Amino acid sequence: AQSVTQLGSHVSVSEGALVLLRCNYSSSVPPYLFWYVQYPNQGLQLLLKYTSAATLVKGINGFEAEFKKSETSFHLTKPSAHMSDAAEYFCAVTRSSNDYKLSFGAGTTVTVRA
Amino acid sequence: DADVTQTPRNRITKTGKRIMLECSQTKGHDRMYWYRQDPGLGLRLIYYSFDVKDINKGEISDGYSVSRQAQAKFSLSLESAIPNQTALYFCATSFGASGYTFGSGTRLTVV
Repeated sequence: AQSVTQLGSHVSVSEGALVLLRCNYSSSVPPYLFWYVQYPNQGLQLLLKYTSAATLVKGINGFEAEFKKSETSFHLTKPSAHMSDAAEYFCAVTRSSNDYKLSFGAGTTVTVRA
Repeated sequence: DADVTQTPRNRITKTGKRIMLECSQTKGHDRMYWYRQDPGLGLRLIYYSFDVKDINKGEISDGYSVSRQAQAKFSLSLESAIPNQTALYFCATSFGASGYTFGSGTRLTVV
């Protein structure tokens, strides 16, 4: 079964600092990988996705993620945090283009300090 | 109007009661899903449907049932609610490799 591990349930960063959220997956085949963001009292919104094209994926709101097969990782970064980035972030994986049952990580809550 | 609409947004119910959560979509997507979110556990798949005649159990289907009344409607039922079903429930849709569209969630409390 597919699984993802998000390292760190809470991350606190200063405004303007680098945001780094870690995600590792377990998979015997190249997966499809996603990052979602959940703002308070809202549903999940897609930030970006990796579907076996470019390994560096750019998403919305200045976020990007790099797929590293050798490390089975798909870490999410943003060079400069903004107060509006405070939210919960989920990494998710699905096995293939024909299998859309997403497996989610436990989530990482980001707090941005002024 | 939202692409994926869930009703109700919040619900408090008593142990043993039957409750239905409803989901409707205007995306025209063929695939629909029900997930529950618990703190520290992320989202877990309850049921999914790839079309009106195709219903499948997810990883935590015990205690739940679903109905796909039309391409646009997918409801989740708790036949006899219990307190550990207290959670945030999300409906989602997908089409091809485009990723998911999530509803805003239903916060269910079973007392």
